[in-house]
Amino acid sequence: KAGVTQTPRYLIKTRGQQVTLSCSPISGHRSVSWYQQTPGQGLQFLFEYFSETQRNKGNFPGRFSGRQFSNSRSEMNVSTLELGDSALYLCASSLEAGTYYEQYFGPGTRLTVT
Amino acid sequence: TQLLEQSPQFLSIQEGENLTVYCNSSSVFSSLQWYRQEPGEGPVLLVTVVTGGEVKKLKRLTFQFGDARKDSSLHITAAQPGDTGLYLCAGTNTGNQFYFGTGTSLTVIP
Repeated sequence: KAGVTQTPRYLIKTRGQQVTLSCSPISGHRSVSWYQQTPGQGLQFLFEYFSETQRNKGNFPGRFSGRQFSNSRSEMNVSTLELGDSALYLCASSLEAGTYYEQYFGPGTRLTVT
Repeated sequence: TQLLEQSPQFLSIQEGENLTVYCNSSSVFSSLQWYRQEPGEGPVLLVTVVTGGEVKKLKRLTFQFGDARKDSSLHITAAQPGDTGLYLCAGTNTGNQFYFGTGTSLTVIP
């Protein structure tokens, strides 16, 4: 079974621009979560989508948004980019395994804002 | 709010040594996962523990979930350079929100 895929792997953008990142979950997984990882802050939760609905949301400004399609693929968008948005953006899909969930990560998209 | 604290934050040891990484919280979790992440890549799931006191072994790695399901440890026996990476613990409560630990960066020197 193929793993979680993310595109693109690397991206360079300029302050003020917007960016869209894509994630394809493992087949059969309906939950997709997005995280931002930086050396100073570690892994920070952005949001989670399940069956095209946002189910959980982290503490990020409204410039960060996402959506999920009927095939469970997900996109996240960041508008009006700031230098501090430079980070590794990770997508994870998860499957309910009885009474708990297991989460599987993609390789990430490295975003650099100049 | 950081619910999970890992210690130590950094660890540099010689090949063949043993080590233990701790993941502590004041919150109770229904399950806890351990991941290893290499630079520029996503975290890879190593194990999930769900029962208080549970011990799981993965070759030279031993994972334990605390009796009260508030803490966990990862013990590596005879560390090898291939064990180098960032180790992350993550706890879940009801629902599907994961709370990640602060991370432990391990370097094993040949």
